[in-house]
Amino acid sequence: EAQVTQNPRYLITVTGKKLTVTCSQNMNHEYMSWYRQDPGLGLRQIYYSMNVEVTDKGDVPEGYKVSRKEKRNFPLILESPSPNQTSLYFCASSSGWEETQYFGPGTRLLVL
Amino acid sequence: KNEVEQSPQNLTAQEGEFITINCSYSVGISALHWLQQHPGGGIVSLFMLSSGKKKHGRLIATINIQEKHSSLHITASHPRDSAVYICAVRTPTKLVFGAGTILRVKS
Repeated sequence: EAQVTQNPRYLITVTGKKLTVTCSQNMNHEYMSWYRQDPGLGLRQIYYSMNVEVTDKGDVPEGYKVSRKEKRNFPLILESPSPNQTSLYFCASSSGWEETQYFGPGTRLLVL
Repeated sequence: KNEVEQSPQNLTAQEGEFITINCSYSVGISALHWLQQHPGGGIVSLFMLSSGKKKHGRLIATINIQEKHSSLHITASHPRDSAVYICAVRTPTKLVFGAGTILRVKS
């Protein structure tokens, strides 16, 4: 089954404790991206990747890192999480920049 | 002013009604997406448009590039259509999302 998976789905952590949210797709898609969704602000793009080893900042990259060492994986790294990074995070992939995006199930993060 | 504006913000309809959700944008785009988000949180892509009109089942999406406007229509609405509908536009550098329209269809 074609899908985008994210792990973990739910995470409660404390300020400053490094964490990684994994994202993996099995559709051989070149384009992957990370979004956060907050009440009243909607969805906003954090980082995106056009292909392996090619990443770029979205609208809200501060406090986040990404890497794209393999085509299928695009992990989101929070080196020192802060409470303002409490949010619902989505990973998505598509076969091209303008093509239909396939979203992961989301990761709910609470930073205390 | 937001680059992508959706209307209405909230919409309540009776089962069977014809529904229209609107999206206006102020930037140059190469494509427009309509997304659906159910209460559980998952997001599904409904349509990707660069011109004209697309239809899938009871859903129809149209776009007018000159007027920078798109509409999503739902015919014969059903309670299972209750969700948040989100418009997103693809610019040369990013994907910009509207705030979403919360649709509730009552039986």
